[in-house]
Amino acid sequence: AQKVTQAQTEISVVEKEDVTLDCVYETRDTTYYLFWYKQPPSGELVFLIRRNSFDEQNEISGRYSWNFQKSTSSFNFTITASQVVDSAVYFCALSEAKAAGNKLTFGGGTRVLVKP
Amino acid sequence: GAGVSQTPSNKVTEKGKYVELRCDPISGHTALYWYRQSLGQGPEFLIYFQGTGAADDSGLPNDRFFAVRPEGSVSTLKIQRTERGDSAVYLCASSLTGLAGVEEQYFGPGTRLTVT
Repeated sequence: AQKVTQAQTEISVVEKEDVTLDCVYETRDTTYYLFWYKQPPSGELVFLIRRNSFDEQNEISGRYSWNFQKSTSSFNFTITASQVVDSAVYFCALSEAKAAGNKLTFGGGTRVLVKP
Repeated sequence: GAGVSQTPSNKVTEKGKYVELRCDPISGHTALYWYRQSLGQGPEFLIYFQGTGAADDSGLPNDRFFAVRPEGSVSTLKIQRTERGDSAVYLCASSLTGLAGVEEQYFGPGTRLTVT
């Protein structure tokens, strides 16, 4: 069965510092998809990024970047020059191609606190 | 356009009572998902609808939980004989087609259920 582990429960940084969130996943499927979602204090989950298992190219999107490494089953996420508005809980998630629909398996989340 | 909406936002009920939670997905989205999020944890998948049918209900914890989507739009999650362990935030999400990995899920604000 699939599993997502986020070892960091909480990270506290000062504004403008970079923040890297760790995510390790387990799956037996050869084709799968990885996501990062943000859950601000309001509670609504917001989609951030998606990556396919067959594309290990790392990218940068604005202040967000990610490092996908199949060899270590990791999908780490970095916020550059953090801002107070980045304070939220961040979830890594996995979906498998063979599963019906696109159901997500989430990690336990990492709470990020950005102090001014 | 309008996002995913859920009603009520909060529901307090007594142990043993019956509750219904409603989800209005984004118009035109054929895929609808229910998740449950306990305090301090990541969301856990409950059920996935493709149109009117439940394509995957493997996440429903027991037969006290049931969900319907009779016209392929609004969905209702029904919980019979509620127990204190059912207390959680129930999240609804929708996506355009449900194709794995192709699209993101859009989440509603959730219904916070408290069983006393």
